[in-house]
Amino acid sequence: DVVMTQSPLSLPVTLGQPASISCRSSQSLVYSDGNTYLNWFQQRPGQSPRRLIYKVSNRDSGVPDRFSGSGSGTDFTLKISRVEAEDLGVYYCMQAAHWPLTFGGGTRVEIK
Amino acid sequence: EVQLLESGGGLIQPGGSLSLSCAASGFTFSTSNMNWVRQAPGKGLEWVSAISNSGGNTYSADSVKGRFTISRDNSKNTLYLQMNSLRAEDTAVYYCAKAYNMDVWGKGVTVTVSS
Repeated sequence: DVVMTQSPLSLPVTLGQPASISCRSSQSLVYSDGNTYLNWFQQRPGQSPRRLIYKVSNRDSGVPDRFSGSGSGTDFTLKISRVEAEDLGVYYCMQAAHWPLTFGGGTRVEIK
Repeated sequence: EVQLLESGGGLIQPGGSLSLSCAASGFTFSTSNMNWVRQAPGKGLEWVSAISNSGGNTYSADSVKGRFTISRDNSKNTLYLQMNSLRAEDTAVYYCAKAYNMDVWGKGVTVTVSS
């Protein structure tokens, strides 16, 4: 199985400051069609997960442009340019290039 | 509006069975691959099972293989998860999610396995 390793586990942030979450996979996430199937999800307290980013760097509709995704192969990053209060919650990376689909353990973004 | 609405959760004794449903609306269900994902209390997300748009291909996590069965009825725009031989460790909120890349999620349904 592809192991997804996120860091840090917890990320204390100051509102208005940038934040960055790392996600590493145990295998390349480049699929046979040439696409890299790495997605990012946000889960606010008490809510369902919501996809923010798909295929490494594509923002979903309605996602603020302060969120950006980057990376390639096995090394990926989610960045928030200026953290706002509504961004607090847990963030997960997930790979859809190999069966079984696997998630990272999550990174909790909280106020410092 | 694209919506997924899970139902069928509840309290069940270990060894029992339960069937979950996910009613889809706002998109062409018959052309969408679908997933079940669960989240144990205070834990992260765990993919459970997936099914192709036609139902011809199914995939399951090792933790549920042989006990859980995913299926769909495209005429009813509904996804199902039949859960047998339930264990305490199956206690979780179960979400259905659209597409292998999970672009839309339901609100989830709680399954509690306890005597």
